[in-house]
Amino acid sequence: QSALTQPPSVSGSPGQSVTISCTGTSGDVGSYNRVSWYQQPPGTAPKLMIYDVNIRPPGVPDRFSGSKSGSTASLTISGLQAEDEGNYYCSSYRVSSPVVFGGGTMLTVL
Amino acid sequence: QVQLQESGPGLLKPSGTLSLTCTVSGDSINNNDWWGWIRQPPGKGLEWIGYIYYGGTTSYNPSLKSRVTMSIDTSKNQFSLQLRSVTDLDTAVYFCARLIVGTYNAFDLWGQGTMVTVSS
Repeated sequence: QSALTQPPSVSGSPGQSVTISCTGTSGDVGSYNRVSWYQQPPGTAPKLMIYDVNIRPPGVPDRFSGSKSGSTASLTISGLQAEDEGNYYCSSYRVSSPVVFGGGTMLTVL
Repeated sequence: QVQLQESGPGLLKPSGTLSLTCTVSGDSINNNDWWGWIRQPPGKGLEWIGYIYYGGTTSYNPSLKSRVTMSIDTSKNQFSLQLRSVTDLDTAVYFCARLIVGTYNAFDLWGQGTMVTVSS
């Protein structure tokens, strides 16, 4: 089954805000508030940034926020910093497979 | 501080069986947790393999289910992955991770990952 759809890349300047989208279907993102976001700098393990659409784990800055509208979830990073660079992956619950990932989005801080 | 560490052979031949172990340190594996495996082929995205409850219940990715077995050894604080009949498409970094209780896809703690190459 196909992964969730993310843009291959986004970019922004320090201090700006960027939003990464994650488009699914009525069978996953559209029906369940079970969307997670991971940050993965090159060569490292993923780090959980958001879960259940908009909950931040302890230690994640409040510059990171999540939302959902219909079958599209979004991760917004405000006050962009150089350390935010890396790949970002969304994940959703789907009845047929409890964990499905998006293809990933490379964030470049200009 | 809870840590996860993957271990196992880094190279195996096609048609063989991949066997990896994840050792949990700093906490008991019995704490009502689900423990998962996720992999990432070189230069590609993440793929969920499956997870196992401390009591032994499992949930697998349907696309891999016919080849996957997960097990847990509470006496050693370890859980394991076996993937049978491997091909070069199974070449990837394999991560073990802990699932946040009550969620389906929120892995809050990850191992550093171990590279597994399938090649003749």
